[in-house]
Parts: sequence; C-alpha cells; structure tokens
Amino acid sequence: EAQVTQNPRYLITVTGKKLTVTCSQNMNHEYMSWYRQDPGLGLRQIYYSMNVEVTDKGDVPEGYKVSRKEKRNFPLILESPSPNQTSLYFCASSLKGTHNEQFFGPGTRLTVL
Amino acid sequence: AQSVAQPEDQVNVAEGNPLTVKCTYSVSGNPYLFWYVQYPNRGLQFLLKYITGDNLVKGSYGFEAEFNKSQTSFHLKKPSALVSDSALYFCAVRDNTGGFKTIFGAGTRLFVKA
Repeated sequence: EAQVTQNPRYLITVTGKKLTVTCSQNMNHEYMSWYRQDPGLGLRQIYYSMNVEVTDKGDVPEGYKVSRKEKRNFPLILESPSPNQTSLYFCASSLKGTHNEQFFGPGTRLTVL
Repeated sequence: AQSVAQPEDQVNVAEGNPLTVKCTYSVSGNPYLFWYVQYPNRGLQFLLKYITGDNLVKGSYGFEAEFNKSQTSFHLKKPSALVSDSALYFCAVRDNTGGFKTIFGAGTRLFVKA
C-alpha cells in the first residue's frame, strides 16, 4: 500500500529533551515536507526537501532540524523542545514538480511539558 | 509574499443543498492552488488542484472548484452536500517559480446536517 508513515504517533516529552520524529514514504517521491497544525492557524510548513541532501526552510523553521540522507526518509529533529512546539505534526511527500499534490502521513501529536 | 485566506471558520449546510467553501489567495506570479480535506484524527487528503487551463476543476467525491484570476479566488463547491462531507477543508497555494514553499489557509469546518 502506498503510504507515508510517521513515528511515533503520540509523544509526550519534557522541555529540552532531544527528540526525532521519523517519516518514511514508499512511493519513490522526490519531494517531502514537514508541517505543524495548530488551531486557527492551519498548516504551516516547517521544512521541505526537493532532493536527497537538499533541504529548504518553510515558514516556521526555528527550533527544528531536518535531514534527507535517503530518498524515502525525512526525519524531523527537535534538539531542545519547548512548550510552544506542542502541536500536531504532518509529514507529506509528492512527485517531482511543484504543481503536484502532496500525500500526507497520519500525523504525530507532540506535547512538550 | 504568498498568503491564503479562508474567511469562514465554519460553514453549515443542510444535506442535499449546494455548498461553497471560500478561498482567496495572494501570490507573485501564477498560482498552483489545492484543496485538501481532513477527517477527524486523520491526515489530509487531496481533493483537487488548479494548475492552468480550464477555470473549473473537478475533483474527488463530487467536489469542484472555480479559479477566478481577477478575484484571486478558488472556491470549493459541491452541488449536493452529504452528511459524510462534514470535515475540515484547507486551501493551499504555491507559486510557479520553482520552489516548494506551500501556504495553507487556516481551514474551514464544514457541518452538513441531515
């Protein structure tokens, strides 16, 4: 089944404890993105990648890191999480071409205490 | 800078009636426009997109959207709403200059009453 998977699906952590949310897609998509969803704000793009070893900032990159060492994986790293990073996070992938739609993962609900 | 506005937080419609969910955008250059739907506790699903050409775009589940360049709008429509259409709807825009920066609206919650 073609899909984007994220792990973990739920995470409660404390301020300052480094964490990684993994994202993997099995559709051989070139482009991948991370978003956070907050009530009243919709989805905001954190980072995106248009190729292996190529990443670019979205609208809200502060406090996050990403890497794209393999085509299928695009992990999101929070080196020192803070309570304002409590949110619902989505990974998405798409075929090459900026006109293409994205396929979204199921989401990761992160709570930082 | 790119931006998307969904002016209605919530839209209520009776089953069988037509529905419209509004979206206006701002982008330099020509836009790529998308509609996505989110059901409770699920990720987003793609509904339809406008790239170029015909201003009326048809998508999944009987939805369609009309691109209006002069009004910079891309409203989502369906002739006859179903209770199962109740969900959160997002409009998104990307410009056609080659980057992948994508801006989403705040979302509109659609309630369809039986």
